[in-house]
Amino acid sequence: SQQGEEDPQALSIQEGENATMNCSYKTSINNLQWYRQNSGRGLVHLILIRSNEREKHSGRLRVTLDTSKKSSSLLITASRAADTASYFCATPSSLYGQNFVFGPGTRLSVLP
Amino acid sequence: EAGVAQSPRYKIIEKRQSVAFWCNPISGHATLYWYQQILGQGPKLLIQFQNNGVVDDSQLPKDRFSAERLKGVDSTLKIQPAKLEDSAVYLCASSLDHPRQGTKNIQYFGAGTRLSVL
Repeated sequence: SQQGEEDPQALSIQEGENATMNCSYKTSINNLQWYRQNSGRGLVHLILIRSNEREKHSGRLRVTLDTSKKSSSLLITASRAADTASYFCATPSSLYGQNFVFGPGTRLSVLP
Repeated sequence: EAGVAQSPRYKIIEKRQSVAFWCNPISGHATLYWYQQILGQGPKLLIQFQNNGVVDDSQLPKDRFSAERLKGVDSTLKIQPAKLEDSAVYLCASSLDHPRQGTKNIQYFGAGTRLSVL
């Protein structure tokens, strides 16, 4: 069964707007990661948030984690055309899982 | 620091043929992963190595897929014989240490091999 699932599946915004995508997961975790994938390329790690953290920032990225709701959100502020990509959350397969499970992703299109 | 290297970038074969993919992880990374990514989906873990030992291969279709990591460095993934549904991008990733070791479990991905089975 799928551990993490992103929402929405697709998102289209204008350059300069903010983009928010969400990830819900099923079992308890000790950390959650977000990755970006540009078309035809491999995944790039964006940010890792631990279960004892509620919010984390990295440049224009803001990630929140609500362990009570088993959900996380990724906010990209002041989006740029270069942010067009698919975004995936990755969660351990179990609390101390030995591998990570990726959701189906959110496909973000930032229009100039 | 050199990234994860994969080859070839593209491969087109006919069904029932064999194919092999190669991956060279980042130097010093103990853990190596092979993922299958079907178009429009997230990556699905096929096999995970810790040095040259298999940690998880529960989702590897062992009747046709095989992988090895000799000497705990390079790895090859083989499909024999290929089926139409094997058409996908095969991603290799590596991480510095076992996922239980905190921040060391950030994965670094190669560009992938796009396989088309006709």
